Amino acid sequence: DTAVSQTPKYLVTQMGNDKSIKCEQNLGHDTMYWYKQDSKKFLKIMFSYNNKELIINETVPNRFSPKSPDKAHLNLHINSLELGDSAVYFCASSQELVLAVTDTQYFGPGTRLTVL
Amino acid sequence: KNEVEQSPQNLTAQEGEFITINCSYSVGISALHWLQQHPGGGIVSLFMLSSGKKKHGRLIATINIQEKHSSLHITASHPRDSAVYICAVRLRGGSQGNLIFGKGTKLSVKP
Repeated sequence: DTAVSQTPKYLVTQMGNDKSIKCEQNLGHDTMYWYKQDSKKFLKIMFSYNNKELIINETVPNRFSPKSPDKAHLNLHINSLELGDSAVYFCASSQELVLAVTDTQYFGPGTRLTVL
Repeated sequence: KNEVEQSPQNLTAQEGEFITINCSYSVGISALHWLQQHPGGGIVSLFMLSSGKKKHGRLIATINIQEKHSSLHITASHPRDSAVYICAVRLRGGSQGNLIFGKGTKLSVKP
């Protein structure tokens, strides 16, 4: 009964490859997010989707393309992987886009991506 | 300068000590989160607060909106409290749903 799940947990790949990370939430939330945690442990938001619609797209290379087939899923596809893409990627979800003071974000366990 | 600053960056304590982690921010916020990231990487939301004080077990979080400052306290610390504690603020207006994160405070509690 995991709230927010991500697959795979670990991903090791060569430079130039294309890979996807999947995220699913069973909380019935309307909003999902992708975060990147770099080697210095600094978390940065990448994307936010509300009801399958892209709402936030921070300064992220075009090689990163989120896809939301339905409200419960937000997958992250990365083309032409580069060394600098190595990081831990966290998916999260929340009930509303305009977050009420009683709302919170639920995080997935993270996917550690290593690009060789 | 980051919009969210945490101190200290690293903290080592003996079991049983009272611990304080500080977070200062420079933007208008609607709420502030304290998160805990375990050595395995998983992130857990500890508190979300917009005013005053919240308590959960041995954890206490306070926020002073006027001073743009929040503290996380751990009483009677235990080695299992060892983790990275992250402060994150939710912007008031602007990019909806966005959190800005501090760099975290790495806490090690020795037995």
